[in-house]
Amino acid sequence: DAGVTQSPTHLIKTRGQQVTLRCSPISGHKSVSWYQQVLGQGPQFIFQYYEKEERGRGNFPDRFSARQFPNYSSELNVNALLLGDSALYLCASSRQGGTEAFFGQGTRLTVV
Amino acid sequence: GNSVTQMEGPVTLSEEAFLTINCTYTATGYPSLFWYVQYPGEGLQLLLKATKADDKGSNKGFEATYRKETTSFHLEKGSVQVSDSAVYFCAPLATDSWGKLQFGAGTQVVVTP
Repeated sequence: DAGVTQSPTHLIKTRGQQVTLRCSPISGHKSVSWYQQVLGQGPQFIFQYYEKEERGRGNFPDRFSARQFPNYSSELNVNALLLGDSALYLCASSRQGGTEAFFGQGTRLTVV
Repeated sequence: GNSVTQMEGPVTLSEEAFLTINCTYTATGYPSLFWYVQYPGEGLQLLLKATKADDKGSNKGFEATYRKETTSFHLEKGSVQVSDSAVYFCAPLATDSWGKLQFGAGTQVVVTP
């Protein structure tokens, strides 16, 4: 079975631009979570979706938004990019909200 | 809120040495506990888990026991290999958290031949 897949793997954006990151969960998993990992730090929780509804939100500004589609894939959008948004963005899927999570390889975002 | 305290790295060991990475946590209720490993340039891989007190999780020679009394989940491996060089994250998952894992800063382990 395929694991969690994220796209793109790398991208470079300019300050002020907008970016969309994509995630496909493991087949049968209905929950998707997003994390931001700044270099040298642990991942920080951004959002969690289950059955297409937002179930949790971390301490991130409104520039960050996400959604989950009927096939349980998800997108993370970040508007008005700042240099500080440069990070590895990780997507994790689980069967439901409170069970073990499996991570994708991440999308490395660089804002210049 | 939940929090995790891990020993600071880097931890540098010789091959075949014994590894211990301490982890203590605070969380509401009785969380499930996880260890994740991150190899350079990659995402996180689930290493092992324990879902209730006194459970022992194990995988690839690594072990960790859920200690409710001390709110700890220390990771151990009896004989490390160079391929174990990575960053290790302890993460509780609170029962009411809807899947929000709480990560610490991680512990970098460097194993030399």
